[in-house]
Amino acid sequence: NAGVTQTPKFRVLKTGQSMTLLCAQDMNHEYMYWYRQDPGMGLRLIHYSVGEGTTAKGEVPDGYNVSRLKKQNFLLGLESAAPSQTSVYFCASSYTALNTEAFFGQGTRLTVV
Amino acid sequence: GNSVTQMEGPVTLSEEAFLTINCTYTATGYPSLFWYVQYPGEGLQLLLKATKADDKGSNKGFEATYRKETTSFHLEKGSVQVSDSAVYFCALRFLGRGSTLGRLYFGRGTQLTVWP
Repeated sequence: NAGVTQTPKFRVLKTGQSMTLLCAQDMNHEYMYWYRQDPGMGLRLIHYSVGEGTTAKGEVPDGYNVSRLKKQNFLLGLESAAPSQTSVYFCASSYTALNTEAFFGQGTRLTVV
Repeated sequence: GNSVTQMEGPVTLSEEAFLTINCTYTATGYPSLFWYVQYPGEGLQLLLKATKADDKGSNKGFEATYRKETTSFHLEKGSVQVSDSAVYFCALRFLGRGSTLGRLYFGRGTQLTVWP
């Protein structure tokens, strides 16, 4: 079982470039999340989605956009990358908020120079 | 608001030593509590969970008890192994329908290194 798959795994961007991170899950989960992980900060929620066609802001949404056009995919976009967006990005999904476990992808390490 | 505070690391132990990683929380409600583990180069994996007061979650020799009176969920293991070296995250989550529910609130993580 694939679970939650993130692509790419690594990426280096120049300041001002754009890119899209893809998260795909094959578990028919309703809820999907994008987190960023920074040293000493734990994981902070960027955006999330409670179903196909819906998205909402988390605690650190600035500089990011998301889309959930298909239930199995949750895309995170950076329109104009900044060095402050250098981080490790994790996608997670869960069946609903009634289900206790969230499943995480392997992460995407992004460096903005 | 909702938040999780866990002990700062790094924690360095010898193999077979006793481990405690403290975790306390504040919550506007009655959350479920979790410990996640992140091995080097990997994503987060659920280690254990507890959904109500006095529940004890356990897995792979790790245990944590949901203490509502002290708002704590400390992680313990009686005898650590080198393979337990990882980053451990305490987290809380509210369960129920609604667009603002279901997200995880994480602590900052505690790096554990176990030496042979």
